[in-house]
Amino acid sequence: AQKVTQAQTEISVVEKEDVTLDCVYETRDTTYYLFWYKQPPSGELVFLIRRNSFDEQNEISGRYSWNFQKSTSSFNFTITASQVVDSAVYFCALSEAFGNQFYFGTGTSLTVIP
Amino acid sequence: NAGVTQTPKFQVLKTGQSMTLQCAQDMNHEYMSWYRQDPGMGLRLIHYSVGAGITDQGEVPNGYNVSRSTTEDFPLRLLSAAPSQTSVYFCASSYSNPGTRGSEAFFGQGTRLTVV
Repeated sequence: AQKVTQAQTEISVVEKEDVTLDCVYETRDTTYYLFWYKQPPSGELVFLIRRNSFDEQNEISGRYSWNFQKSTSSFNFTITASQVVDSAVYFCALSEAFGNQFYFGTGTSLTVIP
Repeated sequence: NAGVTQTPKFQVLKTGQSMTLQCAQDMNHEYMSWYRQDPGMGLRLIHYSVGAGITDQGEVPNGYNVSRSTTEDFPLRLLSAAPSQTSVYFCASSYSNPGTRGSEAFFGQGTRLTVV
């Protein structure tokens, strides 16, 4: 079973619209970490944020915000007032306290149309 | 700051050929790993290492070999290339085991490999 599910394969929005990328995870550990990465068209993977399982406070960084809800095992990512430069594939990932690897979702490809 | 350096960036191989993808990091990271990225499948772990001299298999290890003789280097060997190994390969490193302190992964630029 997938430990990290990103059900949205592709999303298109018009510039300045808000968009939310969904991430649902599965783990039995009580201590775990959640991540978001961005992969722009140039191909590199860029780290955006890390959250640990004990910190459910939402985080905001400029136009980016993240909503972590343990009750629904979700760690969603919202881009406010999207821009063309936000066009990329976004990956959600999980690591577990007693694990040796990251588990990545299949990614969501976001296209922002000017 | 070099970070994680992968070479080559592009490679075309014929079926049956062998080659080594190089990965080096200059951040003194304990943990290194190799992923392959295929359309619709996200990043799948091939092999990983929690320190020099220690390696282990990930989700898709068949057809690949690794070794970790130094902290800095973690080469990935394709033993006998097959068309199914056509993919984009990423090397990543993190300060410690992913589950320890939640260290994030730093990725190389990727190697686009085509096997014909």
